[in-house]
Amino acid sequence: DQQVKQNSPSLSVQEGRISILNCDYTNSMFDYFLWYKKYPAEGPTFLISISSIKDKNEDGRFTVFLNKSAKHLSLHIVPSQPGDSAVYFCAASDGNQFYFGTGTSLTVIP
Amino acid sequence: DAGITQSPRHKVTETGTPVTLRCHQTENHRYMYWYRQDPGHGLRLIHYSYGVKDTDKGEVSDGYSVSRSKTEDFLLTLESATSSQTSVYFCAISAIGGVQETQYFGPGTRLLVL
Repeated sequence: DQQVKQNSPSLSVQEGRISILNCDYTNSMFDYFLWYKKYPAEGPTFLISISSIKDKNEDGRFTVFLNKSAKHLSLHIVPSQPGDSAVYFCAASDGNQFYFGTGTSLTVIP
Repeated sequence: DAGITQSPRHKVTETGTPVTLRCHQTENHRYMYWYRQDPGHGLRLIHYSYGVKDTDKGEVSDGYSVSRSKTEDFLLTLESATSSQTSVYFCAISAIGGVQETQYFGPGTRLLVL
């Protein structure tokens, strides 16, 4: 059973606008959450993370929000750029293993 | 760049043949992982290692074995490849990054089993 879910397989956004990617999880033991970005024919690259003791973490154009009560996290990209077009995976850790979502393919339209 | 290489990068093989994929790291990380990526499933853990000769199973370990005789190398073997093992395989290591231990991935091996 998928413990980390990304319910939107794809998202299209105009350049300069905000991209919001969503992720839901079921296991309340998860205490660390991450986002990865993946280009075709490359491995996933670490983007940003957040600990369960926080509700927001920001790094440049990327902000991750965590809502523990809703078991929901989101990644905001502002402003979106064509180079952000990629597949984004969210992941969660319980301290032993990492669990990944199925990915959301983001297309930023110039 | 976490210093991870994978070989081969691409492989085509036939059902029933053995296949070994290699992951090599240059930074002496203790933990190494093998994942497979399939459409609709994301990344799923096959096996992982927490030291030389120390390995454990992941979520989708059936049909796979691993070995780690040196810190820098983690091998994934398909004893008798099946078409259901056609996938992209990623090796990863754990290192401190972001807030705490974070996984960093190699470039992947694309395997096609005919």
